[in-house]
Amino acid sequence: DIVMTQSPSSLAVSAGETVTINCKSSQSLLSSGNQKNYLAWYQQKPGQSPKLLIYLASTRESGVPDRFIGSGSGTDFTLTISSVQAEDLADYYCQQHYSYPTFGAGTKLELK
Amino acid sequence: QVTLKESGPGILQPSQTLSLTCSFSGFSLSTYGMCVGWIRQSSGKGLEWLANIWWNDDKYYNPSLKNRLTISKDTSNNQAFLKITNMDTADTATYYCARDRAFFDYWGQGVMVTVSS
Repeated sequence: DIVMTQSPSSLAVSAGETVTINCKSSQSLLSSGNQKNYLAWYQQKPGQSPKLLIYLASTRESGVPDRFIGSGSGTDFTLTISSVQAEDLADYYCQQHYSYPTFGAGTKLELK
Repeated sequence: QVTLKESGPGILQPSQTLSLTCSFSGFSLSTYGMCVGWIRQSSGKGLEWLANIWWNDDKYYNPSLKNRLTISKDTSNNQAFLKITNMDTADTATYYCARDRAFFDYWGQGVMVTVSS
Protein backbone atom coordinates (compact mmCIF):
# COMPACT_ATOMS: atom_id res chain seq x y z
CA ASP A 1 0.00 0.00 0.00
CA ILE A 2 1.03 3.60 -0.53
CA VAL A 3 0.13 5.38 2.70
CA MET A 4 -1.05 8.97 2.43
CA THR A 5 -0.47 11.16 5.48
CA GLN A 6 -2.37 14.44 5.64
CA SER A 7 -1.76 17.32 7.99
CA PRO A 8 -3.22 19.01 9.85
CA SER A 9 -6.29 16.92 10.64
CA SER A 10 -8.25 20.10 11.29
CA LEU A 11 -7.74 23.78 10.70
CA ALA A 12 -9.68 26.77 12.02
CA VAL A 13 -9.61 29.76 9.72
CA SER A 14 -11.14 33.17 9.23
CA ALA A 15 -12.59 34.30 5.93
CA GLY A 16 -9.92 35.86 3.75
CA GLU A 17 -7.02 33.85 5.19
CA THR A 18 -4.75 31.67 3.10
CA VAL A 19 -4.53 28.05 4.23
CA THR A 20 -2.20 25.20 3.40
CA ILE A 21 -2.97 21.50 3.65
CA ASN A 22 -0.15 19.01 3.37
CA CYS A 23 -0.12 15.48 2.02
CA LYS A 24 2.84 13.12 2.15
CA SER A 25 3.01 9.76 0.41
CA SER A 26 5.03 6.79 1.60
CA GLN A 27 6.60 6.46 -1.85
CA SER A 28 7.06 8.68 -4.86
CA LEU A 29 4.00 9.38 -7.01
CA LEU A 30 6.09 10.65 -9.91
CA SER A 31 5.89 8.51 -13.00
CA SER A 32 9.27 8.23 -14.72
CA GLY A 33 7.49 7.53 -17.99
CA ASN A 34 5.53 10.77 -18.32
CA GLN A 35 6.88 12.88 -15.43
CA LYS A 36 3.39 13.26 -13.97
CA ASN A 37 2.51 13.03 -10.29
CA TYR A 38 -0.55 10.87 -9.69
CA LEU A 39 -2.03 12.91 -6.85
CA ALA A 40 -5.53 14.37 -6.61
CA TRP A 41 -7.36 16.59 -4.14
CA TYR A 42 -11.06 16.45 -3.24
CA GLN A 43 -13.44 18.65 -1.29
CA GLN A 44 -16.35 17.11 0.61
CA LYS A 45 -19.12 19.12 2.21
CA PRO A 46 -21.48 17.58 4.79
CA GLY A 47 -23.97 15.20 3.22
CA GLN A 48 -22.32 15.42 -0.20
CA SER A 49 -20.03 13.26 -2.29
CA PRO A 50 -16.39 14.21 -2.69
CA LYS A 51 -15.76 16.73 -5.45
CA LEU A 52 -12.59 16.67 -7.52
CA LEU A 53 -10.58 19.90 -7.19
CA ILE A 54 -7.08 19.12 -8.47
CA TYR A 55 -5.56 16.21 -10.40
CA LEU A 56 -2.06 15.31 -11.49
CA ALA A 57 -0.90 17.32 -8.47
CA SER A 58 -1.50 20.77 -9.95
CA THR A 59 -4.17 20.69 -12.67
CA ARG A 60 -7.35 22.39 -11.58
CA GLU A 61 -10.57 20.65 -12.57
CA SER A 62 -12.87 22.64 -14.82
CA GLY A 63 -15.02 25.07 -12.87
CA VAL A 64 -12.86 25.05 -9.74
CA PRO A 65 -12.00 28.58 -8.55
CA ASP A 66 -8.41 29.63 -9.10
CA ARG A 67 -7.95 30.25 -5.37
CA PHE A 68 -7.41 26.47 -5.12
CA ILE A 69 -3.79 25.67 -5.99
CA GLY A 70 -2.11 22.28 -5.96
CA SER A 71 1.66 21.90 -5.84
CA GLY A 72 4.40 19.44 -5.02
CA SER A 73 6.14 16.47 -6.55
CA GLY A 74 7.46 13.07 -5.57
CA THR A 75 6.26 12.45 -2.03
CA ASP A 76 5.28 15.91 -0.77
CA PHE A 77 2.22 17.79 -1.92
CA THR A 78 0.27 20.86 -0.86
CA LEU A 79 -3.20 22.25 -1.41
CA THR A 80 -3.31 26.00 -0.91
CA ILE A 81 -6.57 27.89 -0.64
CA SER A 82 -6.09 31.62 -1.07
CA SER A 83 -8.54 34.01 0.55
CA VAL A 84 -10.76 31.34 2.09
CA GLN A 85 -14.46 31.90 1.70
CA ALA A 86 -17.30 30.56 3.85
CA GLU A 87 -18.26 28.14 1.06
CA ASP A 88 -14.80 26.51 1.33
CA LEU A 89 -15.51 25.12 4.80
CA ALA A 90 -15.42 21.38 4.19
CA ASP A 91 -13.28 18.28 4.48
CA TYR A 92 -10.35 17.93 2.08
CA TYR A 93 -8.72 14.68 1.00
CA CYS A 94 -5.68 13.79 -1.04
CA GLN A 95 -5.59 10.60 -3.08
CA GLN A 96 -2.85 8.82 -4.98
CA HIS A 97 -3.37 6.75 -8.07
CA TYR A 98 0.22 5.68 -8.72
CA SER A 99 -0.76 2.23 -7.59
CA TYR A 100 -4.19 1.08 -6.46
CA PRO A 101 -5.87 4.20 -5.06
CA THR A 102 -5.46 5.24 -1.45
CA PHE A 103 -6.70 8.36 0.33
CA GLY A 104 -5.43 10.56 3.10
CA ALA A 105 -7.43 10.70 6.34
CA GLY A 106 -8.70 14.17 5.57
CA THR A 107 -8.42 17.74 6.83
CA LYS A 108 -11.44 19.48 8.27
CA LEU A 109 -11.53 23.20 7.49
CA GLU A 110 -13.57 25.03 10.12
CA LEU A 111 -14.49 28.60 10.90
CA LYS A 112 -12.45 30.31 13.61
CA GLN B 1 -23.54 15.51 -18.70
CA VAL B 2 -22.04 12.71 -16.64
CA THR B 3 -24.11 11.31 -13.78
CA LEU B 4 -23.84 8.22 -11.63
CA LYS B 5 -26.26 6.79 -9.09
CA GLU B 6 -25.82 3.91 -6.70
CA SER B 7 -28.54 1.59 -5.48
CA GLY B 8 -28.47 -1.12 -2.86
CA PRO B 9 -30.39 -2.77 -0.02
CA GLY B 10 -29.76 -0.20 2.72
CA ILE B 11 -29.57 -2.73 5.50
CA LEU B 12 -28.43 -6.34 5.71
CA GLN B 13 -27.39 -8.86 8.29
CA PRO B 14 -23.89 -10.10 9.10
CA SER B 15 -22.62 -12.83 6.75
CA GLN B 16 -24.97 -11.78 3.95
CA THR B 17 -23.79 -10.70 0.49
CA LEU B 18 -24.11 -7.06 -0.51
CA SER B 19 -25.12 -6.36 -4.11
CA LEU B 20 -24.72 -2.81 -5.38
CA THR B 21 -25.64 -1.29 -8.73
CA CYS B 22 -24.15 1.83 -10.30
CA SER B 23 -26.30 3.31 -13.07
CA PHE B 24 -24.56 5.96 -15.10
CA SER B 25 -25.05 8.23 -18.09
CA GLY B 26 -22.96 10.63 -20.14
CA PHE B 27 -20.28 8.10 -20.97
CA SER B 28 -20.01 4.46 -22.00
CA LEU B 29 -18.01 1.63 -20.50
CA SER B 30 -17.55 0.33 -24.03
CA THR B 31 -15.43 3.39 -24.90
CA TYR B 32 -11.66 2.92 -24.94
CA GLY B 33 -10.06 3.98 -21.67
CA MET B 34 -13.23 4.27 -19.62
CA CYS B 35 -13.30 2.91 -16.09
CA VAL B 36 -15.72 2.90 -13.15
CA GLY B 37 -14.62 2.45 -9.57
CA TRP B 38 -16.25 1.74 -6.23
CA ILE B 39 -15.19 3.59 -3.08
CA ARG B 40 -16.64 3.44 0.41
CA GLN B 41 -16.55 5.85 3.30
CA SER B 42 -16.97 4.98 6.93
CA SER B 43 -16.30 6.99 10.05
CA GLY B 44 -13.77 4.41 11.13
CA LYS B 45 -11.67 4.00 7.99
CA GLY B 46 -12.30 7.13 5.94
CA LEU B 47 -12.32 6.76 2.16
CA GLU B 48 -11.37 3.31 0.89
CA TRP B 49 -11.11 2.26 -2.72
CA LEU B 50 -12.65 -1.14 -3.35
CA ALA B 51 -12.44 -2.08 -7.03
CA ASN B 52 -12.60 -0.83 -10.58
CA ILE B 53 -13.60 -2.19 -13.97
CA TRP B 54 -12.33 -1.04 -17.36
CA TRP B 55 -13.86 -0.79 -20.80
CA ASN B 56 -12.03 -3.99 -21.83
CA ASP B 57 -13.35 -5.86 -18.75
CA ASP B 58 -10.07 -5.71 -16.85
CA LYS B 59 -10.82 -5.73 -13.14
CA TYR B 60 -8.75 -4.64 -10.16
CA TYR B 61 -9.43 -5.09 -6.47
CA ASN B 62 -8.20 -3.71 -3.18
CA PRO B 63 -5.81 -6.44 -2.01
CA SER B 64 -7.14 -6.30 1.54
CA LEU B 65 -10.66 -7.17 0.37
CA LYS B 66 -9.98 -9.02 -2.85
CA ASN B 67 -11.32 -12.39 -1.69
CA ARG B 68 -14.71 -10.87 -0.91
CA LEU B 69 -15.23 -8.62 -3.95
CA THR B 70 -16.64 -9.19 -7.41
CA ILE B 71 -17.05 -6.34 -9.89
CA SER B 72 -18.89 -6.62 -13.19
CA LYS B 73 -20.64 -4.50 -15.80
CA ASP B 74 -23.53 -4.40 -18.22
CA THR B 75 -22.33 -2.16 -21.00
CA SER B 76 -25.57 -2.12 -22.94
CA ASN B 77 -27.48 -0.79 -19.92
CA ASN B 78 -24.72 1.53 -18.64
CA GLN B 79 -24.41 -0.22 -15.30
CA ALA B 80 -21.65 -1.49 -13.08
CA PHE B 81 -22.06 -3.85 -10.17
CA LEU B 82 -20.24 -4.77 -7.00
CA LYS B 83 -20.79 -7.77 -4.79
CA ILE B 84 -19.25 -8.08 -1.34
CA THR B 85 -19.57 -11.40 0.42
CA ASN B 86 -19.64 -12.16 4.13
CA MET B 87 -20.61 -8.68 5.24
CA ASP B 88 -19.72 -7.60 8.76
CA THR B 89 -20.64 -4.65 10.96
CA ALA B 90 -17.26 -3.17 10.03
CA ASP B 91 -18.53 -2.90 6.43
CA THR B 92 -21.18 -0.38 7.45
CA ALA B 93 -20.45 2.61 5.23
CA THR B 94 -21.61 4.84 2.43
CA TYR B 95 -20.74 3.22 -0.89
CA TYR B 96 -19.95 5.37 -3.91
CA CYS B 97 -19.34 4.64 -7.55
CA ALA B 98 -17.28 7.09 -9.57
CA ARG B 99 -15.80 7.51 -13.02
CA ASP B 100 -12.13 6.65 -12.76
CA ARG B 101 -9.60 8.52 -14.90
CA ALA B 102 -6.70 7.83 -12.52
CA PHE B 103 -8.61 10.30 -10.36
CA PHE B 104 -12.33 10.23 -9.69
CA ASP B 105 -13.91 13.07 -11.60
CA TYR B 106 -17.60 12.26 -11.22
CA TRP B 107 -19.17 10.61 -8.17
CA GLY B 108 -22.59 9.25 -7.42
CA GLN B 109 -24.56 10.50 -4.42
CA GLY B 110 -23.67 7.37 -2.47
CA VAL B 111 -25.80 4.69 -0.85
CA MET B 112 -25.70 4.10 2.88
CA VAL B 113 -25.35 0.42 3.82
CA THR B 114 -25.82 -0.70 7.40
CA VAL B 115 -24.87 -4.17 8.57
CA SER B 116 -26.75 -5.12 11.68
CA SER B 117 -28.27 -8.17 13.26
